[in-house]
Amino acid sequence: DTEVTQTPKHLVMGMTNKKSLKCEQHMGHRAMYWYKQKAKKPPELMFVYSYEKLSINESVPSRFSPECPNSSLLNLHLHALQPEDSALYLCASKRGGAWGEKLFFGSGTQLSVL
Amino acid sequence: AQSVTQLDSQVPVFEEAPVELRCNYSSSVSVYLFWYVQYPNQGLQLLLKYLSGSTLVESINGFEAEFNKSQTSFHLRKPSVHISDTAEYFCAVSNQAGTALIFGKGTTLSVSS
Repeated sequence: DTEVTQTPKHLVMGMTNKKSLKCEQHMGHRAMYWYKQKAKKPPELMFVYSYEKLSINESVPSRFSPECPNSSLLNLHLHALQPEDSALYLCASKRGGAWGEKLFFGSGTQLSVL
Repeated sequence: AQSVTQLDSQVPVFEEAPVELRCNYSSSVSVYLFWYVQYPNQGLQLLLKYLSGSTLVESINGFEAEFNKSQTSFHLRKPSVHISDTAEYFCAVSNQAGTALIFGKGTTLSVSS
């Protein structure tokens, strides 16, 4: 299994809703990432988990709350989002350690905030 | 701090023509450089990477990139493109800690017949 699986593929939510994005990999990777990508823009790093501990938070607003319950799962909890948070949210993973290793991306969750 | 600049936002070409997508980087330390491709409605896939050693790196689908330290460039080339190469291409550099990738703004390659 060489995939990073993200669910749901599409999500529409109101500004008062609470929802969660899920990411799963079974490659034994110990580094997992959340990126945000607006249309026609490059991915922007949000969070990095290394060995299930949050190692990087790129000054992301608290309405985004990451969680890594185990080495295979990464969640992104969403609450009180704004319309400008509408974007493609990409999860990625790599084995860990040095940057010679390949970063595997999921297909993303397309989020629309109304 | 590390950064990459992709000089062309859009590159339209005809099928079977050669193409070059330009990328320049800025870094005060040794770099790891990458090219990723994103097809419509999909995540990113690694195309090729430069870590060290030979300055010319190749991918399995005919793309190649050359690391040029004096010109701080890592341009992506393909001698003959296919319609299926139509996609968004991102150049990326690792951050100084080696913990994350910093992406360029992307180049849209559009191949037509």
